[in-house]
Amino acid sequence: GAGVSQSPSNKVTEKGKDVELRCDPISGHTALYWYRQSLGQGLEFLIYFQGNSAPDKSGLPSDRFSAERTGGSVSTLTIQRTQQEDSAVYLCASSSPGTSYNEQFFGPGTRLTVL
Amino acid sequence: GENVEQHPSTLSVQEGDSAVIKCTYSDSASNYFPWYKQELGKGPQLIIDIRSNVGEKKDQRIAVTLNKTAKHFSLHITETQPEDSAVYFCAASLSDKLIFGTGTRLQVFP
Repeated sequence: GAGVSQSPSNKVTEKGKDVELRCDPISGHTALYWYRQSLGQGLEFLIYFQGNSAPDKSGLPSDRFSAERTGGSVSTLTIQRTQQEDSAVYLCASSSPGTSYNEQFFGPGTRLTVL
Repeated sequence: GENVEQHPSTLSVQEGDSAVIKCTYSDSASNYFPWYKQELGKGPQLIIDIRSNVGEKKDQRIAVTLNKTAKHFSLHITETQPEDSAVYFCAASLSDKLIFGTGTRLQVFP
């Protein structure tokens, strides 16, 4: 089966514009995570969805960031009024209770550049 | 909350030598410690993990050790090869959420 996919792979936008980043998790995976990876930095947790539970939004850096997960599958991360400091690679991961404990499978990421 | 520190940030070794990457964590309740490898332009991929009821785990050329008392864990790569060159991340977890270290860029020179 296919792994985690993300689109677009690259996104260039102008400061102040809104962007939407998409994540398709592995089929059947109930947990979905978004991370931000700035140049040369580690993975910064943003938000976590698990089944039908309320998402853990504790990592979202500001109210300009939001995410949805429709039907327990595809997720969209939205950044409103983008700023230059939002430039980073946004990674999505999914996991399932049936796999190795907490193993997260990552997509290739979306590289966002805010001019 | 949990905080994970990782050292060194960069590591260069000759092919065939060993490489060691070290991480410390702050929350003594954390019970799962995975290591991920990220190649250029790709997402991180799990290479080995260890749970808090185990002190050491090996998989061919890679091994991970865990010292719960000191709250640190390490990745050991023996007989390094050029294809081991990548960024390596450690992480710690209590629940379903992983807290990652800042990464180590490993370069293996032929």
